[in-house]
Order: sequence, then C-alpha cells, then structure tokens
Amino acid sequence: VQLMESGGGVVQPGRSLRLSCAASGFTFNTYAMYWVRQAPGKGLEWVAVISYDGSIKKYAGSVEGRFTISRDNSKNTVFLQMNSLRGDDTAVYYCARDQREYSYGYSHSFWGQGTLVTVSS
Amino acid sequence: EILMTQSPVTLSVSPGERATLSCRASQSVGTNLAWYQQKPGQAPRLLIYGTFTRATGIPARFSGSGSGTEFTLTISSLQSEDFAVYYCQQYNAWPLTFGGGTTVEIK
Repeated sequence: VQLMESGGGVVQPGRSLRLSCAASGFTFNTYAMYWVRQAPGKGLEWVAVISYDGSIKKYAGSVEGRFTISRDNSKNTVFLQMNSLRGDDTAVYYCARDQREYSYGYSHSFWGQGTLVTVSS
Repeated sequence: EILMTQSPVTLSVSPGERATLSCRASQSVGTNLAWYQQKPGQAPRLLIYGTFTRATGIPARFSGSGSGTEFTLTISSLQSEDFAVYYCQQYNAWPLTFGGGTTVEIK
C-alpha cells in the first residue's frame, strides 16, 4: 500500500489550494479515504472523510464550508480542495485509508507521508 | 464532540521497562478506539484498533485494553524503536477525535 500526497506549498490567507493523494497497492474503490492534519509541533486533527464510492462526505467543523473532499476512482486519487485558507490551516496534511472495505468511520490503517501547507502573507 | 484526554503528557521510561499510557473519553466510545505511534518526521502508524486488536506487523509487546471511557496502551518491555509519540483516536462518533498525545522518552 502506498499513499502519496502532493499539492502543498505556501499560500496567502484567503486563497485556495488543492491537495491530491495518489493511492496504489490496494483496490482503491473499495475503501473510504481520510484527510488528517497536524499543525507544527501539535497533535493530529481529523479533517474529512469520503466513502469508497464518494456518496458520503463528512467534515470537521473547523473546515466545513471551506474544504471539499472528492475522489476519482478511475485515477486512484483523492483530493482536498481548500478555499478561504487561514493561518490556522497551516499544517502537514496526511491522507489515510480506512481499516475496512465498503465502510467508513473506522481506524486508519495506512497513511501517506504528508504534504505541508503554509498559509502566510 | 468527544474530547479525548491522554495522560501523562510525557512518560520517561528506561529500555526494557513497562510503559502504561492512558486515554480517557468525555463520553462512552464503546471499544471504537485506536492507538497510533508517530516518530519525528514520520507519518502516524496504526498500532491497535477496536481497543484490543494489534494491526498487521505490530509486535506482541503492544497491547490495548479498556472500554467505554477509559483505555490503556501497554508496552510490556520498551525497545529503542518504541520511543515516540502515541495518540489515541475514537471513531465511535463524528467528528473523529484524537487525544493530545503522550511522548514516551528515554529515562
């Protein structure tokens, strides 16, 4: 199993950024996928989840209405569109895979190495 | 939102000794509790899920226990590679929430 995030960088407050996570080594379209972030020197914060077929999406309150999770099962990729970025969105963003097939809302069995997003003017 | 509180914040342990980490939930999460290990500069790694079940490849010296609101991760005999930060996570209710972490350091 491999998860490879990309798309991070430095962005000004109020601007947008789109993260991608390319998956391989498993049957992508049978697993829910997550985004989890970690601010510098801080703990882990769950951000969003998308079900295996994309029909169910859930968000943390801190990003609801600003971030959108999506997936392209034909390309084994999950995305996080981040709009109206703020300083407190600065973090390493990890994508992770659900523990179980055809379900969502369980533990995260595999993680990518993360991509750093820095929101600063 | 379910608040997860881990204690202690830092645990100083000598190699070969036993380490006991605690995680408390603000309301019952049943046994929908996972533990993750994170080393500096690395992604988290799943250790335990469903409170008790070790993830694939996790050594038997790691064990989990508890239910409801009180959970424990025990490392029976600390190895050098076990010094890291440990997080608990509840997945009983949305939003999913993590504890603040316990750093296990060399004494």
